[in-house]
Amino acid sequence: DIVMTQSPLSLPVTPGEPASISCRSSQSLLHDNGYNSLDWYLQKPGQSPQLLIFLASNRASGVPDRFSGSGSGTDFTLKISRVEAEDVGLYYCMQSLQIGAYTFGQGTKLEI
Amino acid sequence: EVQLVESGGGLVQPGGSLRLSCAASGFIFNNYWMSWFRRAPGKGLEWVANIDQDGRTKYYVDSVKGRFTISRDNAKNSLYLQINSLRVDDTAVYYCVRDRHFWGLGTQVTVSA
Repeated sequence: DIVMTQSPLSLPVTPGEPASISCRSSQSLLHDNGYNSLDWYLQKPGQSPQLLIFLASNRASGVPDRFSGSGSGTDFTLKISRVEAEDVGLYYCMQSLQIGAYTFGQGTKLEI
Repeated sequence: EVQLVESGGGLVQPGGSLRLSCAASGFIFNNYWMSWFRRAPGKGLEWVANIDQDGRTKYYVDSVKGRFTISRDNAKNSLYLQINSLRVDDTAVYYCVRDRHFWGLGTQVTVSA
């Protein structure tokens, strides 16, 4: 299985400041179709996970444009341009290259 | 509006069984792969199983193979997860998910003696 490694695991931030989370995979997530099979999710306290970014750099519907995803191959980054209080929660990257074996990173706890 | 509503969770003893259900609405159900994910207390998210549009192709995480069975009834717009031989480490909130984009609110499964 593909191993996903996130850093940092804890991310204290100040509202209005930027934040960045790194995700690395044990093998390339670049599909034959040219897209990277990497998603980013946020699970806010008491809520279901929500998809933020799909295929490495595409914002999901309704996601504020302060969230952006970048990277290719094995190295990916989620950036928040200006953190807001509502952004607290657990952030996960997940690879979907192998439809029969999705795997997540450990999660990054963002706290104000 | 896409809606996924899980049900069927509960408290069960080790070795017991449960059948989770997911009622889908707001989209053409038989057009999509469907999945179950879970999050155990104090742990991260975990993918559990996938099923294709007509129910013929299924995949499972290694830890549940032989114990869990994913299925669907396209006529009823419903997804299921039969979970047998439950273990304490199966305790989690189980989520029904459509193509990674849409998640239900989840149903709690607690395995305890």
